[in-house]
Amino acid sequence: GEDVEQSLFLSVREGDSSVINCTYTDSSSTYLYWYKQEPGAGLQLLTYIFSNMDMKQDQRLTVLLNKKDKHLSLRIADTQTGDSAIYFCAETLGSSNTGKLIFGQGTTLQVKP
Amino acid sequence: ETGVTQSPTHLIKTRGQQVTLRCSSQSGHNTVSWYQQALGQGPQFIFQYYREEENGRGNFPPRFSGLQFPNYSSELNVNALELDDSALYLCASSPLERNTEAFFGQGTRLTVV
Repeated sequence: GEDVEQSLFLSVREGDSSVINCTYTDSSSTYLYWYKQEPGAGLQLLTYIFSNMDMKQDQRLTVLLNKKDKHLSLRIADTQTGDSAIYFCAETLGSSNTGKLIFGQGTTLQVKP
Repeated sequence: ETGVTQSPTHLIKTRGQQVTLRCSSQSGHNTVSWYQQALGQGPQFIFQYYREEENGRGNFPPRFSGLQFPNYSSELNVNALELDDSALYLCASSPLERNTEAFFGQGTRLTVV
């Protein structure tokens, strides 16, 4: 079945780059997503990548996709204290993009001043 | 601000009771999905509604049911509440024509005692 795995915790210093990694199992997933969740809040869509792309850049965010290894990463450049949150990787359920998502367990990013 | 609103924000229920959670979708979005997020976990897909019909279901028992109304607002009903139903319940809306983006509400925190 579908499964998404993430490391649980990452700590960086303000101004450094952060790299959050994710592996997934469903090779038929059409889109892969990164969401951010701050304490007590819902999920904020950060970015997504179509499965036929290798890379997508959006301001400070860079997404890399290695489809062969089923590995997805999110790089945050010049990490700020406001980036402290839980980051979730998600894949679409099945090959059709119906908006049904399978999430990882989340990576807590701690940014130290 | 995603335009997806959920009510109530917090709720305490007793084991065995029934609960109804509500979601108002973002304008123009005709698809709504519900997720359960247990503490320290990623969200898990419960089901999706499109044009008032269930359009896919995750691994949840029948005591989890839903409705979608003509104005695209939605309800999640849970019968015979169990302690393990304590979680954050998230609603996400998307236009089916462009399901690359699912926008989440802030969630309802349900505590079963």
